[in-house]
Amino acid sequence: EDQVTQSPEALRLQEGESSSLNCSYTVSGLRGLFWYRQDPGKGPEFLFTLYSAGEEKEKERLKATLTKKESFLHITAPKPEDSATYLCAVQGRQAGTALIFGKGTTLSVSS
Amino acid sequence: NAGVTQTPKFQVLKTGQSMTLQCAQDMNHEYMSWYRQDPGMGLRLIHYSVGAGITDQGEVPNGYNVSRSTTEDFPLRLLSAAPSQTSVYFCASRGTSNQPQHFGDGTRLSIL
Repeated sequence: EDQVTQSPEALRLQEGESSSLNCSYTVSGLRGLFWYRQDPGKGPEFLFTLYSAGEEKEKERLKATLTKKESFLHITAPKPEDSATYLCAVQGRQAGTALIFGKGTTLSVSS
Repeated sequence: NAGVTQTPKFQVLKTGQSMTLQCAQDMNHEYMSWYRQDPGMGLRLIHYSVGAGITDQGEVPNGYNVSRSTTEDFPLRLLSAAPSQTSVYFCASRGTSNQPQHFGDGTRLSIL
């Protein structure tokens, strides 16, 4: 069964304090791993897609990496506006078009 | 270009009532999905469609119906609302099977 586990559930950082969010996954034939950002009262907003181990993607202060078992979302020198819930999802071969989501990591950045 | 539009944004129902949650996208996407999001549970797939006239069940389909008569619209019907269906419902669409999904801003549904 395809599964996604995100850790930690919640993370509090000071502005400028870099850290990483983890997404561990079990999937039969990874077709893609997706990172989303979700603000309160809004729908998830797409950040990155990773397709194969070793791949990396960057956007502003965010960098996503992928291994065969997990993905990391590295946040460098975060700002208060980076506060949000970050969701990880995988698409496996057996699931067809379905995405399996983790429960998310809620990030709070204080100034 | 509005993306994915969901209506209504908020709704309160009584147990046993029926209603339809609307979802429309203007990106000509073939794939559309409905998810529900509950505290501590993450997003769970209810139903999805891979094109007009084609739908299939997701992880939690019981109590919900869908149809896809056009590429643009993918309504979700609650047949007889139950308190367990209190949730936030998100509609999403994507162009091909491995492209990222674009989400609407959700419908917050409370069933008393």
